[in-house]
Amino acid sequence: EVQLVESGGGLVQPGGSLRLSCAASGFTFSRNWMNWVRQAPGKGLEWVAKIKPDGSEKYYVDFVKGRFTISRDNAKNSLYLQMNSLRGEDTAMYYCARGGEQQLVAPDYWGQGTLVTVSS
Amino acid sequence: SYELTQPPSVSVSPGQTARITCSGDALPKKYAYWYQQKSGQAPVLVIYEDSKRPSGIPERFSGSSSGTMATLTISGAQVDDEGDYSCYSTDSSGRGVFGGGTKLTVL
Repeated sequence: EVQLVESGGGLVQPGGSLRLSCAASGFTFSRNWMNWVRQAPGKGLEWVAKIKPDGSEKYYVDFVKGRFTISRDNAKNSLYLQMNSLRGEDTAMYYCARGGEQQLVAPDYWGQGTLVTVSS
Repeated sequence: SYELTQPPSVSVSPGQTARITCSGDALPKKYAYWYQQKSGQAPVLVIYEDSKRPSGIPERFSGSSSGTMATLTISGAQVDDEGDYSCYSTDSSGRGVFGGGTKLTVL
């Protein structure tokens, strides 16, 4: 059974940093693209970033470029999102989601999310 | 930036057919995917690659795509199908894009 468990969310002040983690199990992690998707309270889903199975390619939505960094450790079956220079508009539930073995395949399995609140 | 457009809401009576649309300029060349999300829960993939249904998804869910519009159809909608539905595709660079979401009401 595919399982994705996010952690690392919490309350942070504007301008601060957080590192989200996602522990994956139930599939061969090193074969799949992985995604981060977020959802602000009461709003729709917003794709944030994705990373190639070997970590050599990374893609970001424009409004997080230069502030967020996606990474992975295939030996630990883990996905990460380093978030710096956080803003109020980054407040959201952040989901880890498994992509396909090919780049353009959409996420199929999702974790339950970790909540990030940016506020003073 | 690339956008996918959905209607904010769709309402049907139980047993009727619900249709939710998603429009985007790149859809003639890119697959559309559909997610269902119930309150307080993570999204669930209900249609992939325009019209394929993952295992465990009821047959009343179907998808199609023509030109710049993809459509999710729920035939014989049930009260349990209420929730938010979002389409997903990719832009020319391979980055993901979600539509704004459509709230389906069945009553």
